[in-house]
Amino acid sequence: AQTVTQSQPEMSVQEAETVTLSCTYDTSENNYYLFWYKQPPSRQMILVIRQEAYKQQNATENRFSVNFQKAAKSFSLKISDSQLGDTAMYFCAFMNLDMRFGAGTRLTVKP
Amino acid sequence: GAVVSQHPSWVICKSGTSVKIECRSLDFQATTMFWYRQFPKQSLMLMATSNEGSKATYEQGVEKDKFLINHASLTLSTLTVTSAHPEDSSFYICSAKETGNWSPLHFGNGTRLTVT
Repeated sequence: AQTVTQSQPEMSVQEAETVTLSCTYDTSENNYYLFWYKQPPSRQMILVIRQEAYKQQNATENRFSVNFQKAAKSFSLKISDSQLGDTAMYFCAFMNLDMRFGAGTRLTVKP
Repeated sequence: GAVVSQHPSWVICKSGTSVKIECRSLDFQATTMFWYRQFPKQSLMLMATSNEGSKATYEQGVEKDKFLINHASLTLSTLTVTSAHPEDSSFYICSAKETGNWSPLHFGNGTRLTVT
């Protein structure tokens, strides 16, 4: 079974600065998707960014980008120009036949 | 964008009663739906995978007789918590997968279940 590991339970960053959230995973599959989801206090799951495993180019969505290292099975999320609204839980997720989540990282953006 | 409606958003029930949670894909057909459970300050744990027209596949440790899943149509899956106990109190989230191997999941807004 696939496992997803997020080793940072909590992180904080000053507004306007950059922060990187770590994620590693374990799988024997070659084709899969990786995701970062944001979960604010409302508990709604909001898709931040996704990466297809067969693509070498790192995905980018505005202030959010990933560093996908397939050989190392690493998938970190970089948030640039952090905003107060970025404060939330962030979950890394692996999808093949189903979607599995890491334990999450609670990010706090400080004014 | 694709919308998944989950109902109710919160429910309080008495111990021993059953509660049904609905998950509907509003503007797409979902051949597969997933049910997750999330305890406070924890991650989403996959409970079961539901495929339209067939029996759900449950994760290890999830009691299929307690958490009944029905996926009778391409737009509706239901989770029934039978004979609920206080330890079943949790946040339940459904997600629906569009047709196609690599289509994304769309999440409902979740149901907060409190069993008294």
